[in-house]
Amino acid sequence: QKEVEQNSGPLSVPEGAIASLNCTYSDRGSQSFFWYRQYSGKSPELIMFIYSNGDKEDGRFTAQLNKASQYVSLLIRDSQPSDSATYLCALGFSGGYNKLIFGAGTRLAVHP
Amino acid sequence: DVKVTQSSRYLVKRTGEKVFLECVQDMDHENMFWYRQDPGLGLRLIYFSYDVKMKEKGDIPEGYSVSREKKERFSLILESASTNQTSMYLCASINGGNSYEQYFGPGTRLTVT
Repeated sequence: QKEVEQNSGPLSVPEGAIASLNCTYSDRGSQSFFWYRQYSGKSPELIMFIYSNGDKEDGRFTAQLNKASQYVSLLIRDSQPSDSATYLCALGFSGGYNKLIFGAGTRLAVHP
Repeated sequence: DVKVTQSSRYLVKRTGEKVFLECVQDMDHENMFWYRQDPGLGLRLIYFSYDVKMKEKGDIPEGYSVSREKKERFSLILESASTNQTSMYLCASINGGNSYEQYFGPGTRLTVT
């Protein structure tokens, strides 16, 4: 089992809809969780992080964390074509060194 | 803003060549990382460094080495390039402490022929 699992997609949603991206993980010791967005041919950029159970909202983005069930999700409200990208889930490695463990990413396509 | 730069955006090398990829960050970050990214495999950690002259192997260190002589610079070395090292290489840095927020460079797309 991979440490961080994501559906590779593509996840296709119409413009204006809510896109829901999910991620499950196996390291119960992880305390921090991140979502990176990566446009084709570009490097990943951090868009959200969450440390506590529950929801965290930032503009159109909401990160949700459930440590008991070991999943983290990202909701994008009012999806725009410019949101089309690959979204990488990452968790902070509990063994130190500030390492991140990345999932393979979910490709999101928002169509007009 | 944190700035992480990489020496080349695109690089083409021949099998057997020694290849140097350089990464520089300007925010006095403690920790630096080298990843490679391949379709369907996500980001895989090659090596990382948590201080000058200190290095640790990541998940796929075979065929690579690193050097960190100065805090701001972290180099990835392919001792003898092979075609299976054709990939996108990404450098990242982080301030250490309790932070896990990594900042990435623009990436180097390396092709080994």
